[in-house]
Amino acid sequence: EDKVVQSPLSLVVHEGDTVTLNCSYEVTNFRSLLWYKQEKKAPTFLFMLTSSGIEKKSGRLSSILDKKELFSILNITATQTGDSAIYLCAVEGKGGSEKLVFGKGMKLTVNP
Amino acid sequence: NAGVTQTPKFRVLKTGQSMTLLCAQDMNHEYMYWYRQDPGMGLRLIHYSVGEGTTAKGEVPDGYNVSRLKKQNFLLGLESAAPSQTSVYFCASSVPGTPGYTFGSGTRLTVV
Repeated sequence: EDKVVQSPLSLVVHEGDTVTLNCSYEVTNFRSLLWYKQEKKAPTFLFMLTSSGIEKKSGRLSSILDKKELFSILNITATQTGDSAIYLCAVEGKGGSEKLVFGKGMKLTVNP
Repeated sequence: NAGVTQTPKFRVLKTGQSMTLLCAQDMNHEYMYWYRQDPGMGLRLIHYSVGEGTTAKGEVPDGYNVSRLKKQNFLLGLESAAPSQTSVYFCASSVPGTPGYTFGSGTRLTVV
């Protein structure tokens, strides 16, 4: 059974701090790992990672995948209150339907 | 450009009642999914479809049925609602080979 474990499950930081979110996984025939940000409603796509060691970057957010150790991290530098959200990690196995298995999510709160 | 539209947005049902949640997408996406999201549980796949006229079970299909009679619509039915089905339901769609899902804004269902 495919499995995704995120840690920590919640984190409270102050504006300007740097945070690292962890995601470990077990999946049959790994295809990709995805990160989403969920504020009040629907999750929004952040990154998709398929290859080890290649960093994906978007502004203050970056992510990297280690396929040997089966984990990914999402870094957020110089956090802002607008980064407060639930961050979801998901994995996709090969199978043709592209269905995702999600972790439980990590709730980040950034205080001013 | 509407994307993925879910109706209704909120609903309260009594135990034993039935209802249908509608998901409509205008992006000509091939794949569609229904997830439920419960506190501390992340997103769990209920059913999915890889094309018009096809459906398959996900991780938590019991108590739900689905139909995809038209490519743009994916219906989720509850035949006899139970309090355990109180949740936020998300529909999503995707294109084979394109990263990430497009999510609807969710339906908050309460069964009393």
